[in-house]
Amino acid sequence: ETGVTQTPRHLVMGMTNKKSLKCEQHLGHNAMYWYKQSAKKPLELMFVYNFKEQTENNSVPSRFSPECPNSSHLFLHLHTLQPEDSALYLCASSQAGPGDVGGELFFGEGSRLTVL
Amino acid sequence: GQNIDQPTEMTATEGAIVQINCTYQTSGFNGLFWYQQHAGEAPTFLSYNVLDGLEEKGRFSSFLSRSKGYSYLLLKELQMKDSASYLCALVDSNYQLIWGAGTKLIIKP
Repeated sequence: ETGVTQTPRHLVMGMTNKKSLKCEQHLGHNAMYWYKQSAKKPLELMFVYNFKEQTENNSVPSRFSPECPNSSHLFLHLHTLQPEDSALYLCASSQAGPGDVGGELFFGEGSRLTVL
Repeated sequence: GQNIDQPTEMTATEGAIVQINCTYQTSGFNGLFWYQQHAGEAPTFLSYNVLDGLEEKGRFSSFLSRSKGYSYLLLKELQMKDSASYLCALVDSNYQLIWGAGTKLIIKP
């Protein structure tokens, strides 16, 4: 099994749909992250969870709603998205925070989202 | 403010050496990461530098100069599989990651 698994890999949705992205990590890490990756732009951190507690929400619109039921699973619930939300959504995990030993991120392969 | 710059795209020849630069401006610094991302795949960790100097890992090396706000990734004996995007990210004074936009490296035969 790969370390961090994301499903679905591709998703097309209309602006009125509700869908969810799922992430699962098999590495025993304590922190999980959602990032948005758009072409030719830096990775944008959306949410951070440490030990299932949300520790960061970078001014993300409420149409994105995260859920972390346990330290191995992370969801991103999507509702009434806009076309500009089309992007690659990457999940990542780490044993420790950036700057600490074990702070490197392990990424999933991403969910490519297209909003029509 | 905080800022990271990397070239958007670079081209190199198989078997050659290429240096990908990353310059930054930040009020605080707690390390710098390099990640590799092949098209359609997950970014993968390459290196982490927190002290000045060169760290070598096989064909890849990473260099840091904190006084100059500068890092580079050096790839030797280039192979076609090295065609990928290379992402630079620094750890700021709040231990947050600040990402560059990435450098797309194209390797030609």
